[in-house]
Amino acid sequence: ETGVTQSPTHLIKTRGQQVTLRCSSQSGHNTVSWYQQALGQGPQFIFQYYREEENGRGNFPPRFSGLQFPNYSSELNVNALELDDSALYLCASSPQRAGGYNEQFFGPGTRLTVL
Amino acid sequence: DAKTTQPNSMESNEEEPVHLPCNHSTISGTDYIHWYRQLPSQGPEYVIHGLTSNVNNRMASLAIAEDRKSSTLILHRATLRDAAVYYCIRKTSGSRLTFGEGTQLTVNP
Repeated sequence: ETGVTQSPTHLIKTRGQQVTLRCSSQSGHNTVSWYQQALGQGPQFIFQYYREEENGRGNFPPRFSGLQFPNYSSELNVNALELDDSALYLCASSPQRAGGYNEQFFGPGTRLTVL
Repeated sequence: DAKTTQPNSMESNEEEPVHLPCNHSTISGTDYIHWYRQLPSQGPEYVIHGLTSNVNNRMASLAIAEDRKSSTLILHRATLRDAAVYYCIRKTSGSRLTFGEGTQLTVNP
């Protein structure tokens, strides 16, 4: 069973550019969540996708957007990058619509640096 | 506010038990208590979860207070590999995990 994978591992962009991060969910999981983790802080929820539809969003501006594909893989897109967007971006998958009892399985993250 | 309160850091010796406390005084009756940990340079890893009763698995035990306003994650014999940031999370049936800043556990050899 393959775990959650993310690509790329590291990425450097300049302010104002756009970036796309990718996530392959664990086999059999139909729900994907994205989190942003600034240095020294806990992850912050960006949004979740369930069966290709957005299913919950955190306190992030519209320039953060996402997609989920029929195979349940997902993309996170960030437009008009700002310096504060520099962070570790984590993807997590879970086996069904997230209930209070369902754990999430995290990938290793993509480290984004905005210069 | 769905956040919990944890000490910023704790220290333990290898092969000794570790008790990591968490306060969630405003928890609702349907919120689960989840624990995740994050090793250096890795994504968070699920440890354990519970609702009302104490829970055990191969990684740890979770002791939940009778009033559910606090809980304790118990590592029975700490190893160097257990050095990580431990997050205690109240989780509703909704979509998100609301992470606080967690407890940085240091394990001394």
